[in-house]
Amino acid sequence: SQQGEEDPQALSIQEGENATMNCSYKTSINNLQWYRQNSGRGLVHLILIRSNEREKHSGRLRVTLDTSKKSSSLLITASRAADTASYFCATKDTSYGKLTFGQGTILTVHP
Amino acid sequence: DADVTQTPRNRITKTGKRIMLECSQTKGHDRMYWYRQDPGLGLRLIYYSFDVKDINKGEISDGYSVSRQAQAKFSLSLESAIPNQTALYFCATSYPFSSGENTGELFFGEGSRLTVL
Repeated sequence: SQQGEEDPQALSIQEGENATMNCSYKTSINNLQWYRQNSGRGLVHLILIRSNEREKHSGRLRVTLDTSKKSSSLLITASRAADTASYFCATKDTSYGKLTFGQGTILTVHP
Repeated sequence: DADVTQTPRNRITKTGKRIMLECSQTKGHDRMYWYRQDPGLGLRLIYYSFDVKDINKGEISDGYSVSRQAQAKFSLSLESAIPNQTALYFCATSYPFSSGENTGELFFGEGSRLTVL
């Protein structure tokens, strides 16, 4: 079964706007990761946040983690058309060390 | 050159045929994975291998088998393909769990698109 549930399933914005995607999960985790997938291509790791962290930044990316609510959000600031892609959260559980992926959010940034 | 290489990139086959998808990596990672991606379902784990002698079933292993021929090679087989195995298949690698480098971050190949008619 899927660990992560992502919201929204699709997001359409204009260039320059911020994009926020949310991820909820069910079990205890070691860390939570976000990946990006351009259409039909392999996934690329964006950012990781550990279970003892609450917020992390990388360039235009900001990730938050609330372990009490079992949820995370990914914020992309000042979006660009090149940010158009699918974004997936993935949780690394504490038991087996495997990653379990959510269904993803399709982000479209219009020029 | 890609660190994780999948072959073939695209394959069309018929129901009942045996298909093998191959994955090779130059990252030196011990851990290798096969995922399947279907629209709206994200990625689901088929099989994973933590080293050459350690192979484990994932959440959707029925109808699939794997072979870890070497540290760098991990193949996925469909013994008798059926149409609902039409999907995009990804191989991925990661550092060993005991490694100080390990965060569980996955490094993906470009995918193998399989169509079963």
